[in-house]
Amino acid sequence: QVQLVQSGAELKKPGSSVKVSCKASGGTFGDYGLTWVRQAPGQALEWMGVIIPDLGTIKYAQKFQGRVTITADGSTSTAYMDLSSLRFDDTAVYYCARVGVAYSSSSYFDNWGQGTQVTVSS
Amino acid sequence: DIQMTQSPSTLSASVGDRVNITCRASQSIRNWLAWYQQKPGKAPKLLIYHASNLESGVPLRFSGSGSGTEFTLTISSLQPDDFATYYCQQYDDYFGFGPGTKVDIK
Repeated sequence: QVQLVQSGAELKKPGSSVKVSCKASGGTFGDYGLTWVRQAPGQALEWMGVIIPDLGTIKYAQKFQGRVTITADGSTSTAYMDLSSLRFDDTAVYYCARVGVAYSSSSYFDNWGQGTQVTVSS
Repeated sequence: DIQMTQSPSTLSASVGDRVNITCRASQSIRNWLAWYQQKPGKAPKLLIYHASNLESGVPLRFSGSGSGTEFTLTISSLQPDDFATYYCQQYDDYFGFGPGTKVDIK
């Protein structure tokens, strides 16, 4: 069973950046896409971007283009999401999730990390 | 962008009730739709994919139907563990989630 373990909570100032990690275990890494989804307090889920490490495929939601960078390190089976120019409304829980079909950047998400709370406050 | 809507936004029901949640897409997404269950403070859990395929380990009381622009998640007999928020997600064109349907106790 695939397990995704994310880094811990972060408290950031407006205008700064945050980098959240997602370490995968229990399955192969690189052939399945890893995606990032966030959820602001009391709000719905919001897709941010996806990476398929073996293919070098990276796609971002238009809303986050230019502000988000998703990378992956195959040697440690870890994906990263870097969000810059943080604003108060970036306060949310950030989740990583695995795309359920190998080599697909467009499929359902079958395994999720536990979530990382990012709080933006002055 | 494909817009997803869900109805109702909140549903009050009792244990044993049959529950239907509707999800609509602003354009055809064929059958590229998933349903997730989320409980407070927890990550979402995949229930249904490709509109009607039950994820392994998910109870048989959950089912999905529909294609094109209209989809339904059905819980045949609501159980205490099912009180949660449910989201639909399209993956025909990038990804997009519906606003959610909260199922609470009547």
